[in-house]
Amino acid sequence: QSALTQPASVSGSPGQSITISCTGTSSDVGGYNYVSWYQQHPGKAPKLMIYDVSNRPSGVSNRFSGSKSGNTASLTISGLQAEDEADYYCSSYTSSSTSRVFGGGTKLTVL
Amino acid sequence: EVQLVQSGAEVKKPGESLKISCKGSGYSFTSYWIGWVRQMPGKGLEWMGIIYPGDSDTRYSPSFQGQVTISADKSISTAYLQWSSLKASDTAMYYCVRSWPGGYYFDYWGQGTLVTVSS
Repeated sequence: QSALTQPASVSGSPGQSITISCTGTSSDVGGYNYVSWYQQHPGKAPKLMIYDVSNRPSGVSNRFSGSKSGNTASLTISGLQAEDEADYYCSSYTSSSTSRVFGGGTKLTVL
Repeated sequence: EVQLVQSGAEVKKPGESLKISCKGSGYSFTSYWIGWVRQMPGKGLEWMGIIYPGDSDTRYSPSFQGQVTISADKSISTAYLQWSSLKASDTAMYYCVRSWPGGYYFDYWGQGTLVTVSS
């Protein structure tokens, strides 16, 4: 089962907006509205940031938003802050036997 | 408050067996799926499998089928991940995660259990 495809790294300056993409297939990202995003700071457990493509859990800043077009989902972070520097992973339901799949992860650097 | 509390770090030799745990609290343990996620050193997240403690329905990622065993004891609200014969390549951080029955996202994560396999 191939992982979803994410860019290895993205960067931005404080106050700017960045977008992280997550590309899959019609068997996962494109076929279902079950994409989620996770933030992981070094040495910490991941934290849910977005679920079901565009929903934010309680307590997550509204600077984080999600969307999907075709087989590609996106996480946008607006008004970048130093604390946003972390690794970000997407995940999706998949109709393959594995049922769930992660992206390879993207390292966000705040310049 | 929902919590998933995992057992402590382990150092094992190749060929040894191991069972790590994840205790849920603050919610109905039998009403949510509990999954396991591997993160090898410096690498990304990998989906291993999931169990529904209510009826012990268990699903495995094909990559981990036959390599590990996932189980749960609902009487003590605890899920387990087990190896019968560890390999050096099993060295990783392992996270347990909670998943709502009608969803495919992981809303709570354990703190992680570091497993080191070395001769």
